[in-house]
Amino acid sequence: QQQVKQSPQSLIVQKGGIPIINCAYENTAFDYFPWYQQFPGKGPALLIAIRPDVSEKKEGRFTISFNKSAKQFSLHIMDSQPGDSATYFCAASEPSGSRLTFGEGTQLTVNP
Amino acid sequence: ETGVTQSPTHLIKTRGQQVTLRCSSQSGHNTVSWYQQALGQGPQFIFQYYREEENGRGNFPPRFSGLQFPNYSSELNVNALELDDSALYLCASSLGRPPVYEQYFGPGTRLTVT
Repeated sequence: QQQVKQSPQSLIVQKGGIPIINCAYENTAFDYFPWYQQFPGKGPALLIAIRPDVSEKKEGRFTISFNKSAKQFSLHIMDSQPGDSATYFCAASEPSGSRLTFGEGTQLTVNP
Repeated sequence: ETGVTQSPTHLIKTRGQQVTLRCSSQSGHNTVSWYQQALGQGPQFIFQYYREEENGRGNFPPRFSGLQFPNYSSELNVNALELDDSALYLCASSLGRPPVYEQYFGPGTRLTVT
């Protein structure tokens, strides 16, 4: 059972564009929603995370928007750069904090 | 401060063999989690360790087992390897006792089973 659904599977934007990656979850017990960035041959790197009591969080060029009633959250990358080309994963965690449940990933390409 | 390190980087094993993967946590981090990432998919939680005891397990068979040592380093052992075990195995460390939320991943060990 896939508890976190991520879309799109791949995304191509031009430099300076604002790619948006969306995730939807089913488990209302989830209380922590991080985004990870993964380059080929590397492990996922924590980018930004949000709790469900906040509707938006911004760190540098990365913004998470959170809609608790719709059980959806999204990542926006402002002024995207070719160096942002990577695979992005959303994830969610329950209060037990034991495990992260990941989405399937979005392969982002930012063209120069 | 050093990050999470894993060894070996790559490994090729034959079906039916056993394998041990190793992880050194980020300095001061005392909780470690292991994940399996198949090609083109998101990581799947295997289990988590805190104070040398298992604290949560995902949907993986008992032939996947782990250890955490007093220095917080960890091992993942897989017995009776199957072709489907081919994947990137990721270790993630966290600061504090569970529940822990911020998990910091190592570069992974790429396991190929032939």
